[in-house]
Amino acid sequence: DIQMTQSPSSLSASVGDRVTITCRASQSISSYLNWYQQKPGKAPKLLIYAASSLQSGVPSRFSGSGSGTDFTLTISSLQPEDFATYYCQQSYSTPGITFGQGTRLEIK
Amino acid sequence: QLQLQESGPGLVKPSETLSLTCTVSGGSISSSSYYWGWIRQPPGKGLEWIGSIYYSGSTYYNPSLKSRVTISVDTSKNQFSLKLSSVTAADTAVYYCARHAAAGPARTDYWGQGTLVTVSS
Repeated sequence: DIQMTQSPSSLSASVGDRVTITCRASQSISSYLNWYQQKPGKAPKLLIYAASSLQSGVPSRFSGSGSGTDFTLTISSLQPEDFATYYCQQSYSTPGITFGQGTRLEIK
Repeated sequence: QLQLQESGPGLVKPSETLSLTCTVSGGSISSSSYYWGWIRQPPGKGLEWIGSIYYSGSTYYNPSLKSRVTISVDTSKNQFSLKLSSVTAADTAVYYCARHAAAGPARTDYWGQGTLVTVSS
C-alpha cells in the first residue's frame, strides 16, 4: 500500500499569509496527487488534481507542485474562507486511493 | 449537475451489517470513465477509502476491510450500495459515496453530502 504523510498536522496563520502544506508518498506516484479542502460538516472539495492542475472554480491563490514522492500545496494569500482541513490523496493506484492524515489550518 | 445522495440507517447494532445506498442523479453510473466508491471518516479523524466499483460490477476493496465489505451496483436504478458486516464501534463514521475519474487525471471529483452511521446497542 502507498502511504501518504502530510506535514504539518496543524498550522496557525493569519489572513494574508502565504501558507505551504507538504505531502510525501511512500513510493513514487509520478504526478498522481490531488488536494482537497474540507470544512466542518461538509464533504471534501477537490482543489488541485494531477499535482498542479487547478480544479474549475477554485481561486488562483491555490497552487500545487511536485512529482515523484514530494508535493506541496500553497495558498498565496490566506482568506477567511480558507481556514479548513486539507488532505492530499494519491491516485496512482486508482481505484485504490489513499489519503494523507490531514492538515488543520487555523486562524492565528 | 451530477449529484450523489447516500441513504440508509443511521444506527446499527454491534455485530450486525451496515447497509448504505448511493443514488446518482444528473449523470449515468454506466459511464466507462468512472469508478464509484465509498469513503468514510470517523468523528474527528481522517478519510479512509473503503472500496470502489465499476459499472461492469468489478470491485476493488481496501485490504484492511476486504473481508467485511461488499459493494454492488444497480445500473437500472443508477445506484450503488455498500454492505459492511460484523460492525463494531470502530466503524462509527460519516460515510461518503463519491465518483472517481478513471481516465485522464484520476481524481475524486464528486462527493455525496455524507451520512453519519453510529454503531451502538
